[in-house]
Amino acid sequence: KNQVEQSPQSLIILEGKNCTLQCNYTVSPFSNLRWYKQDTGRGPVSLTIMTFSENTKSNGRYTATLDADTKQSSLHITASQLSDSASYICVVISNTGGFKTIFGAGTRLFVKA
Amino acid sequence: EAQVTQNPRYLITVTGKKLTVTCSQNMNHEYMSWYRQDPGLGLRQIYYSMNVEVTDKGDVPEGYKVSRKEKRNFPLILESPSPNQTSLYFCASSLQGRGTEAFFGQGTRLTVV
Repeated sequence: KNQVEQSPQSLIILEGKNCTLQCNYTVSPFSNLRWYKQDTGRGPVSLTIMTFSENTKSNGRYTATLDADTKQSSLHITASQLSDSASYICVVISNTGGFKTIFGAGTRLFVKA
Repeated sequence: EAQVTQNPRYLITVTGKKLTVTCSQNMNHEYMSWYRQDPGLGLRQIYYSMNVEVTDKGDVPEGYKVSRKEKRNFPLILESPSPNQTSLYFCASSLQGRGTEAFFGQGTRLTVV
């Protein structure tokens, strides 16, 4: 069964600290993996997209890694800011005959002053 | 400004009364899709469209219909809404489905009583 699991479910950190969010998936066949940021009540916003051959991709203070062998990805946030408080969603695209989008349940991040 | 526009943003309706949620994008994207987001379950794909007149089921298509008569619009139709369709709905579009960034609408919060 195609699944995307994220951990932790929620996380509280102090402003200025770093954190790492995890994503494990069992999706096959694999096309690409995405990380999104979703503020409460808003639509998700894309942070990174990685294909099978990409190991790491950065977007400002956000750095995503992908290990296609172990089917794991992580999102590292450096020097967190209050505005980083949001849900972070891992998404895997499967290239079946059409293609399917499988979402993780997200990690809720709270950054405190 | 590049955007995906959903209407309405909020809707309360009664069981069985047909409704349509509109979605429009101004980026000339081929790919559009609909998702629902429920607490603890994350986003789940309802339907997607690879191009005009091409639609396909996602993971939770039951009770929904879509149409893609023109490139910019992808309405979601609930012929006979039921309370279990109470959810937060998002429309998204991208240039191509597989490897390009997806842009999400602001969401439509639907309550069926």
